[in-house]
Amino acid sequence: KAGVTQTPRYLIKTRGQQVTLSCSPISGHRSVSWYQQTPGQGLQFLFEYFSETQRNKGNFPGRFSGRQFSNSRSEMNVSTLELGDSALYLCASSLGTHSERADTQYFGPGTRLTVL
Amino acid sequence: QQPVQSPQAVILREGEDAVINCSSSKALYSVHWYRQKHGEAPVFLMILLKGGEQKGHDKISASFNEKKQQSSLYLTASQLSYSGTYFCGTESAGGTSYGKLTFGQGTILTVHP
Repeated sequence: KAGVTQTPRYLIKTRGQQVTLSCSPISGHRSVSWYQQTPGQGLQFLFEYFSETQRNKGNFPGRFSGRQFSNSRSEMNVSTLELGDSALYLCASSLGTHSERADTQYFGPGTRLTVL
Repeated sequence: QQPVQSPQAVILREGEDAVINCSSSKALYSVHWYRQKHGEAPVFLMILLKGGEQKGHDKISASFNEKKQQSSLYLTASQLSYSGTYFCGTESAGGTSYGKLTFGQGTILTVHP
C-alpha cells in the first residue's frame, strides 16, 4: 500500500498570505490528523477529521482550518500567515475504526512551511 | 499537558542498550512510540494500551505502567539504524480522543560505530 502523501513538500510564503496544504491518507484510512512540529514546541495537535467531519481540535487560532473530502483526502489552510507559523506540518492517517479512541497513526513526510 | 520524556539525549556505541521513559501527570489510555530521523516523517514503532501490557518488536520493546502513568521503551543491542529522535504520544483515559495524541518533547538517540 502506498503511504501517506503530502503536497507540496516545501513552501515559502510571506506574512499576511494564506496557504493550503494537502494530505492523501493511506487507502482505506478514514481519519486524518494534522500536527504542527517546531523545534520549540515539538509536535502539537491541530485537528482531526473523520468522514468529512472535524471531530477534534487543538489549541490553535481560528486562522488554522481544515476540511476533508469524501475520498478522505484532507486539506488544511492557514490564513494571514505569521512568522511563527513557520513549521513542519505533518498529517497522520489512521483507520478510524475506534469511535472515540486514537488508532495507530501513520505520518506523511510533511510540508515544510517557511514564512518570511 | 505534555508528557515528559527522559533522558533528553543519549549516546550509545553499537551493541549497547538504552531505555527511554515517558511520564504523564494524567491517567492514560494508550501510549504510542515513534522514531523520527532528520528530515523524515515519524515512523510508528508500537502502541501500548492501558493494562500494563508489554510489547516487543525485534530488539525494541516497551512497557506501560498504568499505576505510574509511565511507559518505557527498551532498545537492546543497538544498531546504527536506531539513531533518531524518539517520541511518545499519549492518549488520555478520560473523555474522547478522536485522533489526538499529545507528544513528549523527544529523546535524541545517537548510535556510534
